[in-house]
Amino acid sequence: ETGVTQSPTHLIKTRGQQVTLRCSSQSGHNTVSWYQQALGQGPQFIFQYYREEENGRGNFPPRFSGLQFPNYSSELNVNALELDDSALYLCASSLIGQGFTEAFFGQGTRLTVV
Amino acid sequence: AQTVTQSQPEMSVQEAETVTLSCTYDTSESDYYLFWYKQPPSRQMILVIRQEAYKQQNATENRFSVNFQKAAKSFSLKISDSQLGDAAMYFCAYRAHQGGSEKLVFGKGTKLTVNP
Repeated sequence: ETGVTQSPTHLIKTRGQQVTLRCSSQSGHNTVSWYQQALGQGPQFIFQYYREEENGRGNFPPRFSGLQFPNYSSELNVNALELDDSALYLCASSLIGQGFTEAFFGQGTRLTVV
Repeated sequence: AQTVTQSQPEMSVQEAETVTLSCTYDTSESDYYLFWYKQPPSRQMILVIRQEAYKQQNATENRFSVNFQKAAKSFSLKISDSQLGDAAMYFCAYRAHQGGSEKLVFGKGTKLTVNP
């Protein structure tokens, strides 16, 4: 078990609604990354937060947004949910600026949009 | 853009036997990291092994080893003495730099079944 926890573990939402997913980072880590893993696919990078600012983004629309808090926990917000947003959402925490450090993943939030 | 390709959607192996999972990647960088992650049904990604591109020696972690061919951009994972607990999805990943960020680029995965 890593020190990265995500909540909730499962969530069902209706198309058009908004959702907030939460991630608590590994102690001592300063960076959080979010990934979307569709069924049968590998995770896709959504964005990364470092020192409370977004410092990298994948090919996802602006309705995917995030926050990182002073304690390095993070939120992923998705507005105007679409059916294709149904996926496993993984967060990973890491430490940038200290040479190589392993990224630790949470167990993910399974989002179903109906 | 970096890409990672896993050409084997599924593999199976008998318990105690050896299996090799394939991965190729594309990059223009000269220094980078490659990883193999295991994702059991619990969904949590677990790092199995990593390889630094500037190191010629292949990484080894107990029963897990890699065959890293930098010129061919190939990075295969060998699991020796396979155990039932090795059954999972395995993802090959490349650590890419995008501006100031570091992201992992994953392949589509290989589902490994271990038969008793």
